[in-house]
Amino acid sequence: GDSVTQMEGPVTLSEEAFLTINCTYTATGYPSLFWYVQYPGEGLQLLLKATKADDKGSNKGFEATYRKETTSFHLEKGSVQVSDSAVYFCGGGADGLTFGKGTHLIIQP
Amino acid sequence: KAGVTQTPRYLIKTRGQQVTLSCSPISGHRSVSWYQQTPGQGLQFLFEYFSETQRNKGNFPGRFSGRQFSNSRSEMNVSTLELGDSALYLCASSLSGASVSNYGYTFGSGTRLTVV
Repeated sequence: GDSVTQMEGPVTLSEEAFLTINCTYTATGYPSLFWYVQYPGEGLQLLLKATKADDKGSNKGFEATYRKETTSFHLEKGSVQVSDSAVYFCGGGADGLTFGKGTHLIIQP
Repeated sequence: KAGVTQTPRYLIKTRGQQVTLSCSPISGHRSVSWYQQTPGQGLQFLFEYFSETQRNKGNFPGRFSGRQFSNSRSEMNVSTLELGDSALYLCASSLSGASVSNYGYTFGSGTRLTVV
């Protein structure tokens, strides 16, 4: 079946540092890929998505490019803020999503 | 535009009981999927419904079931509750279409189920 592998963390960075969270996806075919963010006590919010190879999703300074050759969808941000502290989930699929285990990101002032 | 609404927000049940959770999708969304979130297993897909039909199912025992009504609202039922069923249950809705996942899913805030 489909599977998603992402670094679990926690990942601790200082404010204004560069962020990369790795994600690789294994599936039959090339499904749409997503990054979701979960703030404490809340449900998941869609952060960005890519529907086909070489697509770049971007939102709120975050970017991820769908790399078909490596089946990767790494999340990046040039300068993180304390407010970015949350759990980030990489996922993909159709008719139901397969998620990674989530990466807990902690940004220190 | 109202978001995905899940009720109740919190629930405490005793082992062996059964429970029903409710999810109202965003107006116009015809796909509803359910997920179980636990600290150990992360987010796991339970099942997905589209136009009252179960279209996809994850690897959960038959104690977990669901249904979708003609207005797209969905319910999830867990029978003979076990301690390990304690989790946050998330519902997500999406627009209809051949490639449903291209639109992304909008999640509700979840129902926190505690089994004692």
